[in-house]
Amino acid sequence: EVQLVESGGGLVKPGESRRLSCVVSGFILSNAWMTWVRQAPGKGLEWVGRIKSKSDGGAITYAAPVKGRFTISRDDSTNTLYLQMNSLKAEDTAVYYCATDPGQSAYWGQGTQVTVSA
Amino acid sequence: DIVMTQSPDSLAVSLGERATINCKSSQSLLYISNNRNYLAWYQKKPGQPPRTLIYGASTRESGVPDRFSGSGSGTDFTLTIRSLQAEDVAVYYCQQYYSTPQTFGQGTKVEIK
Repeated sequence: EVQLVESGGGLVKPGESRRLSCVVSGFILSNAWMTWVRQAPGKGLEWVGRIKSKSDGGAITYAAPVKGRFTISRDDSTNTLYLQMNSLKAEDTAVYYCATDPGQSAYWGQGTQVTVSA
Repeated sequence: DIVMTQSPDSLAVSLGERATINCKSSQSLLYISNNRNYLAWYQKKPGQPPRTLIYGASTRESGVPDRFSGSGSGTDFTLTIRSLQAEDVAVYYCQQYYSTPQTFGQGTKVEIK
């Protein structure tokens, strides 16, 4: 059974940092291109960024609102995807999902809530 | 960035009737080299993660009921729910993955009439 389990969410103050993790099982992470998607309260889905597999070059791209503040990385040896979030803002409040990139077998995590508030 | 525009924003359909959602992209999503459209459709229910319904504009994801179908090419795409069931009440999103940043449509809320 394929599982993607996010963790690391919670309440953080503006300007602080947080790292989200996504542990995958049931498929080989090293072969997958992975994305982070978020949904703010009452809003639609928003793509955060993507990391390609190392065999395909490992390139990472980000959405404009998070570029320079967020960093996506992967540890294929532990089947873990990461999202390092720095300089958090109130508008980063959202449920964050890890997922396989579209066009591959579709797997999504359950999501982790990040709330940025003083 | 590619802008994705869905229509309508919401629709109410009777049980057993057809629901049609349109999605228009600001540029073509057809990759000429492999003749594939880089367009996906998702279903989102409150408290649940998105569910991938369709990728490649028309390929149904494993386990998705065949009442869901996708069509279109280039810049104009459609998601059709052939016979609406109560469990299909949700918000539906299209997404382009032709180029980064990948972008979603604003969503279409489907309700029962």
